Amino acid sequence: DAKTTQPNSMESNEEEPVHLPCNHSTISGTDYIHWYRQLPSQGPEYVIHGLTSNVNNRMASLAIAEDRKSSTLILHRATLRDAAVYYCILRDSTNTGNQFYFGTGTSLTVIP
Amino acid sequence: DTAVSQTPKYLVTQMGNDKSIKCEQNLGHDTMYWYKQDSKKFLKIMFSYNNKELIINETVPNRFSPKSPDKAHLNLHINSLELGDSAVYFCASSQEREWPADTQYFGPGTRLTVL
Repeated sequence: DAKTTQPNSMESNEEEPVHLPCNHSTISGTDYIHWYRQLPSQGPEYVIHGLTSNVNNRMASLAIAEDRKSSTLILHRATLRDAAVYYCILRDSTNTGNQFYFGTGTSLTVIP
Repeated sequence: DTAVSQTPKYLVTQMGNDKSIKCEQNLGHDTMYWYKQDSKKFLKIMFSYNNKELIINETVPNRFSPKSPDKAHLNLHINSLELGDSAVYFCASSQEREWPADTQYFGPGTRLTVL
């Protein structure tokens, strides 16, 4: 399974944008990039996913590098509720048995 | 309405006991999963079921036995509990036809403590 690398932790001031990086240099052409987050004492929740093009939804934006070897999750205005561990996950579209393999993620602290 | 629910939320038991954790989803999904999150917060998949059939078993000890009576339920039975089984267990579900862009919906977790 292709691996992802994320910083262990990041800090952001409230109401400022946050850019969470993810490196996936061994990504294959068929791997989808998924982002999930886990708020304290809760189960993970879906944030966004993409394949090649940048994606936007109500929660965040996903910027994918042209060579797809890295991606960035963008929270446009961080709130205290965004403090969580953010996971970047690759999903192989050629392997129906491929499941989510969560790495260590990035722990985001939002400073009031 | 809760999409994915688990019971109990907390489970404290003695070593050697047998216990079960129940999971139900009301999303109409056909694939369900069990994950284990250890004390270091590492989240690892254990099982995946599609239409009541086992798809993935990630080298989990055979003391762990998932049971799926129907598509909406995936229960986890654990025999002869050990100290190392203490963790938070999460159930999740997704829709296979959306794979690999499917979204997994997670339950709130069950914190198991083995004394």
